[in-house]
Amino acid sequence: DVKVTQSSRYLVKRTGEKVFLECVQDMDHENMFWYRQDPGLGLRLIYFSYDVKMKEKGDIPEGYSVSREKKERFSLILESASTNQTSMYLCASRVPGGGYGYTFGSGTRLTVV
Amino acid sequence: DQQVKQNSPSLSVQEGRISILNCDYTNSMFDYFLWYKKYPAEGPTFLISISSIKDKNEDGRFTVFLNKSAKHLSLHIVPSQPGDSAVYFCAASVGGSNYKLTFGKGTLLTVNP
Repeated sequence: DVKVTQSSRYLVKRTGEKVFLECVQDMDHENMFWYRQDPGLGLRLIYFSYDVKMKEKGDIPEGYSVSREKKERFSLILESASTNQTSMYLCASRVPGGGYGYTFGSGTRLTVV
Repeated sequence: DQQVKQNSPSLSVQEGRISILNCDYTNSMFDYFLWYKKYPAEGPTFLISISSIKDKNEDGRFTVFLNKSAKHLSLHIVPSQPGDSAVYFCAASVGGSNYKLTFGKGTLLTVNP
């Protein structure tokens, strides 16, 4: 089974801090994604990457950047954390050619105070 | 503009009865649809999918129906079990590649013993 691992389950950061959320997948997938989940808003796409060093903006990229230096690792960066970035962050990896869509990590609950 | 809509934020059913979760979409280019289930503090997990060339797909207790003319799909769970209590997300993609998924806001299903 594909495993998508997010380095932290819970994080508390201060406003203005630079925050790194790490995601690693173990199946050599080209495509990786970062979503955030908020009550009443569902899952919204922040950024995605279709290969090493390649990235595309999703629907809500403002305040975020990403890094993909190796195929297995996709990092989400909050340049200057703000309270409205308090959320559940979900990383996903795509199963190529299959009918399963994404495989998600367990999520990182980030609280910005 | 919300392209995938789940208009019922919550649904409550009795154990053993049928659960029907609904999803509407506006983008006629969508041709692949998926349902995910999410427990609290976990990432979403794939449940079932359907291509636009079909109108029904079944997997055990789960059946997804697609009505292209109405741009509507539904997930039926029969019989419902308490372990099915979770948030269910409908998702759609263009081109059948499930490369980039657009998610609905989710429906919280509660199955009462």
